[in-house]
Amino acid sequence: DIVMTQSPDSLAVSLGERATINCKSSQSVLYSSNNKNYLAWYQQKPGQPPKLLIYWASTRESGVPDRFSGAGSGTDFTLTISSLQAEDVAVYYCQQYYSTPLFTFGPGTKVDI
Amino acid sequence: QVQLLQWGAGLLKPSETLSLTCAVYGGSFSGYYWSWIRQPPGKGLEWIGEINHSGSTNYNPSLKSRVTIPVDTSKKQFFLKMSSVTAADTAIYYCARVHLASNAFDIWGQGTMVTVSS
Repeated sequence: DIVMTQSPDSLAVSLGERATINCKSSQSVLYSSNNKNYLAWYQQKPGQPPKLLIYWASTRESGVPDRFSGAGSGTDFTLTISSLQAEDVAVYYCQQYYSTPLFTFGPGTKVDI
Repeated sequence: QVQLLQWGAGLLKPSETLSLTCAVYGGSFSGYYWSWIRQPPGKGLEWIGEINHSGSTNYNPSLKSRVTIPVDTSKKQFFLKMSSVTAADTAIYYCARVHLASNAFDIWGQGTMVTVSS
């Protein structure tokens, strides 16, 4: 299985400031034949299901604000919220879909103000 | 706008069988894979398994011996059956659609809390 880890476990950021979350996979999720990283990011607010933010490591899902961006390749990835808004308070998860169909998620990072 | 609506029994005794239904509204059922994912209280996400409209399934090896995911294409519904539940199966269970453009999960059901307790 590909094991996903995230850091930090939680972080507090002031409104309007940048938040950066790290995600690491135990093996590369870069598929060489198409040069795509099989990694997604989700946002989960209390009492709600997760919401897809980013796939292919850096492609924003339709309707996701452009303050959310994803970067990285191979085994190391980041999710950045460029200017934190109050509605961004949530837990963020990374997920690999390289070893389809055994999808695995990171443990989550809690973002607070 | 595609929506997933799920339902099922929320309280089970140890050794009983968990049974959940997920219905797809407002969009196509065929051409996609449909998954079940669970989240123990206060913890992270675990993928359980998936099915497509023709009945092709894949399961998490750690749960495969206890899980089946049937489908009723005529009703645009798929199901989760998990046998011999224990307290460790207490979780919020979500159904989700596998994104066509990738293999991420782009649409989720509202979640069903299932508690296993004697």
